[in-house]
Amino acid sequence: DAKTTQPTSMDCAEGRAANLPCNHSTISGNEYVYWYRQIHSQGPQYIIHGLKNNETNEMASLIITEDRKSSTLILPHATLRDTAVYYCIVRASSRDDKIIFGKGTRLHILP
Amino acid sequence: GAVVSQHPSRVICKSGTSVKIECRSLDFQATTMFWYRQFPKKSLMLMATSNEGSKATYEQGVEKDKFLINHASLTLSTLTVTSAHPEDSSFYICSAATSGSRNTGELFFGEGSRLTVL
Repeated sequence: DAKTTQPTSMDCAEGRAANLPCNHSTISGNEYVYWYRQIHSQGPQYIIHGLKNNETNEMASLIITEDRKSSTLILPHATLRDTAVYYCIVRASSRDDKIIFGKGTRLHILP
Repeated sequence: GAVVSQHPSRVICKSGTSVKIECRSLDFQATTMFWYRQFPKKSLMLMATSNEGSKATYEQGVEKDKFLINHASLTLSTLTVTSAHPEDSSFYICSAATSGSRNTGELFFGEGSRLTVL
């Protein structure tokens, strides 16, 4: 079973920041938080991952709470092309550790 | 960044035939690959873990004789849907994990292969 829970869907106005929450209260000490997104009929696309510190890259920012039981993915200036299903996943940093997907959050960017 | 390629992207076949889907890591060696299937408006479901040079590990409820996985090299894994039936119609996606110095735990996903069985 997936170790994360996310809202089923969210709306965000184009140009505004999209904040996608994720709960992972049973995360283990060696597990990272990963975010992927899937645009319709494509394979999942990696966005960002982190262990305990906040992370930022060209796509997004990841804010992880101090107790690591939840996190928020931030898309700073959402565009229509950010409409997708966003998956929050916890996984150990090992190439053999499989990813179990939850249901994700369907993000709608509104023009 | 690392790239994983799947082929074919779409395939239509008659019931009873077998279909092979290839998953290649283009610029890195993948000792482990994962195969998923996805039904419309549903999440990805892990089918099996493919390890180079050894037998695949199947998830509970996935028929190993139905979905044959071969990972003969560090850059190629194949999924063969044998004796396909309409209920096997789905979106199949592979992913590959890097190894060695590039092992950040990041998985890279292929573009997916849409199988339609008539």
